[in-house]
Amino acid sequence: GAVVSQHPSWVICKSGTSVKIECRSLDFQATTMFWYRQFPKQSLMLMATSNEGSKATYEQGVEKDKFLINHASLTLSTLTVTSAHPEDSSFYICSARDWSTWKDTEAFFGQGTRLTVV
Amino acid sequence: GEDVEQSLFLSVREGDSSVINCTYTDSSSTYLYWYKQEPGAGLQLLTYIFSNMDMKQDQRLTVLLNKKDKHLSLRIADTQTGDSAIYFCAEGDDKIIFGKGTRLHILP
Repeated sequence: GAVVSQHPSWVICKSGTSVKIECRSLDFQATTMFWYRQFPKQSLMLMATSNEGSKATYEQGVEKDKFLINHASLTLSTLTVTSAHPEDSSFYICSARDWSTWKDTEAFFGQGTRLTVV
Repeated sequence: GEDVEQSLFLSVREGDSSVINCTYTDSSSTYLYWYKQEPGAGLQLLTYIFSNMDMKQDQRLTVLLNKKDKHLSLRIADTQTGDSAIYFCAEGDDKIIFGKGTRLHILP
């Protein structure tokens, strides 16, 4: 099946620094990518939806200036957590779909990135 | 390694019950989840069950957990056209492992 590769799988950074997380679709064109975050023992929360070549659509309550999303190509989307703080420590996961071929396609998930801000 | 398996497709007549099955490998997870994804939308958490429970009911949804067999199921009673979506089984506490999703198709 299709593979979505997310990198890094875990990262520790100092407070105030920025961290970039990459999400790549390896064998299909990801016209749409979703970014989620999940705090321990809580549900997965959708942060934003990005379509290739367009600005991302952020969910209510998600700071677009803090969580920068770039989806410049059909195989790569990045999430940059800017000026990270300990409260940004979370599990981030991306999901990719290809809407260009047919409607209602299966979504493929990356394995997630564990971000710890110290 | 950790793995979550579920069938890819299910067709059900409107008004019937839908049962989506899932097997998982990591028996240490505290939580097991069912997510729903409608066309064009992100994931929505439908329900979850603690690993020390064997059943949870929430309106039309019933989750059954068989820890011995590592088997999780989601039953949707009186299936409606609005239930047409992809349903993901997932397990894990810090790191979430998802199944590939079961596409539920409703027949008229």
